[in-house]
Amino acid sequence: NAGVIQTPRHKVTGKGQEATLWCEPISGHSAVFWYRQTIVQGLEFLTYFRNQAPIDDSGMPKERFSAQMPNQSHSTLKIQSTQPQDSAVYLCASSPYSAETLYFGSGTRLTVL
Amino acid sequence: GDSVTQTEGQVALSEEDFLTIHCNYSASGYPTLFWYVQYPGEGPQLLFRASRDKEKGSSRGFEATYDKGTTSFHLRKASVQESDSAVYYCALSDGGGSNYKLTFGKGTLLTVTP
Repeated sequence: NAGVIQTPRHKVTGKGQEATLWCEPISGHSAVFWYRQTIVQGLEFLTYFRNQAPIDDSGMPKERFSAQMPNQSHSTLKIQSTQPQDSAVYLCASSPYSAETLYFGSGTRLTVL
Repeated sequence: GDSVTQTEGQVALSEEDFLTIHCNYSASGYPTLFWYVQYPGEGPQLLFRASRDKEKGSSRGFEATYDKGTTSFHLRKASVQESDSAVYYCALSDGGGSNYKLTFGKGTLLTVTP
């Protein structure tokens, strides 16, 4: 079991560019989550999929952030027109069900210059 | 909304010292409580959880008891090791309709010196 795989590990973008982050959840897990981690805000919930369907995106900044799960083996988080305040570690997690035990990936560190 | 407060931002101990990290929560429902640990360059990993009043969670020598009366879930370990150095997060999931969403505390950086 390779765990949750996130790529790339590091991404540097210029202000205004687009960034796409990838997540491969653990096989057989029906729940996929995205969280953002910063020094100031800590760990913040962004969005949640169950059986590939979007359930809750209440944590997503509405205008530039979007997440998809086109199949059970991967999810993407896309940030359009990146801004310096988007710099953070973006963590993907999966779970067999709900939030009882989340298995986190190692994260993608996004730096917006 | 729900919230988790960890009193200590940083804790510095020597090996074999006793550890306490304080966690208090505020939730409208009956939440499940968690402790996660995060090592450098990795995502958080679950230490243990508790879902009922007076339930004790434990793992790797760490333990915490769910106390609904004081709304607390303090993390303790009798004798820390250098390998325990990491960031520790207390978290809760709403016992109601949003039980999939974790609310995390700000984290406590534990540094253990030999």
